[in-house]
Amino acid sequence: SQTIHQWPATLVQPVGSPLSLECTVEGTSNPNLYWYRQAAGRGLQLLFYSVGIGQISSEVPQNLSASRPQDRQFILSSKKLLLSDSGFYLCAWSPTGAEGYTFGSGTRLTVV
Amino acid sequence: QKEVEQDPGPLSVPEGAIVSLNCTYSNSAFQYFMWYRQYSRKGPELLMYTYSSGNKEDGRFTAQVDKSSKYISLFIRDSQPSDSATYLCAMRSSGYSGAGSYQLTFGKGTKLSVIP
Repeated sequence: SQTIHQWPATLVQPVGSPLSLECTVEGTSNPNLYWYRQAAGRGLQLLFYSVGIGQISSEVPQNLSASRPQDRQFILSSKKLLLSDSGFYLCAWSPTGAEGYTFGSGTRLTVV
Repeated sequence: QKEVEQDPGPLSVPEGAIVSLNCTYSNSAFQYFMWYRQYSRKGPELLMYTYSSGNKEDGRFTAQVDKSSKYISLFIRDSQPSDSATYLCAMRSSGYSGAGSYQLTFGKGTKLSVIP
């Protein structure tokens, strides 16, 4: 069966520090991968999606970037965090994008 | 007008009640409709997935789509305290959004509390 792993679960980082969040999927190949941010009162915001290795589409220009170095690995990064980067970050996958997505357990990021 | 509107609640009901959760949308191209359940500090999990208009039942859950009114509903029968969560609707069109991905549009979620 397919599983999605996301870590860390909680992260407190100072302003200006770098960020790296990792997501991996097991039990499937060539999945569509997604990074979302969920902020109170704003719902789920799609940040990046990827349909294959090295293929990244950005939905919201901002302080973040994403990479897909391996088929089942998706990384969210920042060189310098801002206070506004605080939120609940969710990774998700789907076989082709046409199905409902399966979400990871999320990372709660607090920038102080 | 936002593409998907969902009352944020909170909605509080007694155990055993029938719960009705709703979303309205403006994009007539939406064809596929989903409901997700999200417990506090967890990722959303897919509850129901439906295509076009009609009803779909799964245990105590029934999803209903009325495309003519651009209105979808999730009914929970015999609600339990374990149903306490935030429920998000999501939907998409049948075509590509570009770069090979079908993208979902989410509602902001309705927070439900079922009181024992």
